Amino acid sequence: RKEVEQDPGPFNVPEGATVAFNCTYSNSASQSFFWYRQDCRKEPKLLMSVYSSGNEDGRFTAQLNRASQYISLLIRDSKLSDSATYLCVVNTDSSASKIIFGSGTRLSIRP
Amino acid sequence: EAQVTQNPRYLITVTGKKLTVTCSQNMNHEYMSWYRQDPGLGLRQIYYSMNVEVTDKGDVPEGYKVSRKEKRNFPLILESPSPNQTSLYFCASSDRSPNQPQHFGDGTRLSIL
Repeated sequence: RKEVEQDPGPFNVPEGATVAFNCTYSNSASQSFFWYRQDCRKEPKLLMSVYSSGNEDGRFTAQLNRASQYISLLIRDSKLSDSATYLCVVNTDSSASKIIFGSGTRLSIRP
Repeated sequence: EAQVTQNPRYLITVTGKKLTVTCSQNMNHEYMSWYRQDPGLGLRQIYYSMNVEVTDKGDVPEGYKVSRKEKRNFPLILESPSPNQTSLYFCASSDRSPNQPQHFGDGTRLSIL
């Protein structure tokens, strides 16, 4: 089993739709969680950190479920500019030194 | 402007010819890391450094070397490149530890013929 797993997609949704992705992780001792966004052939950029209590940033909501070992990202009122690959990132080591990236979920928003 | 700078951005070279990809950050970050990204595999960590003179292997360190003589610089060295090292490489840095968000360089696209 991969340490961090994401559905690769692609998710193809109409503009204005709500879309959600999950990301599962295998190490229950994982300490920190992030969602990054990556546009084609560009560097990953932080979208948001994921906190235990869940957090929201505008149209984006991130949740952490430690019991089931997954994090989620919800995008409301999706825009064309949301089209990208979304990377789940987990610190899998209790010493906080090892970072694992998921393979990413491709999202395509159509007009 | 806060940034991570990688050079070169693109390089085509031949098997066995030593090369170095430089990485420099101007944010006084302690943690720096190198990743490679291949289709279907996502980003995989090659090496990371928690601070000056402290480096550790990531998931795919074979065929690579790094050094961290100064806080701002973290070069990636391929002593004898091979075609399976053809990839897109990213350098990243974060303040204190990877528990903090990472800032990425623009990437280096490396082709080994």
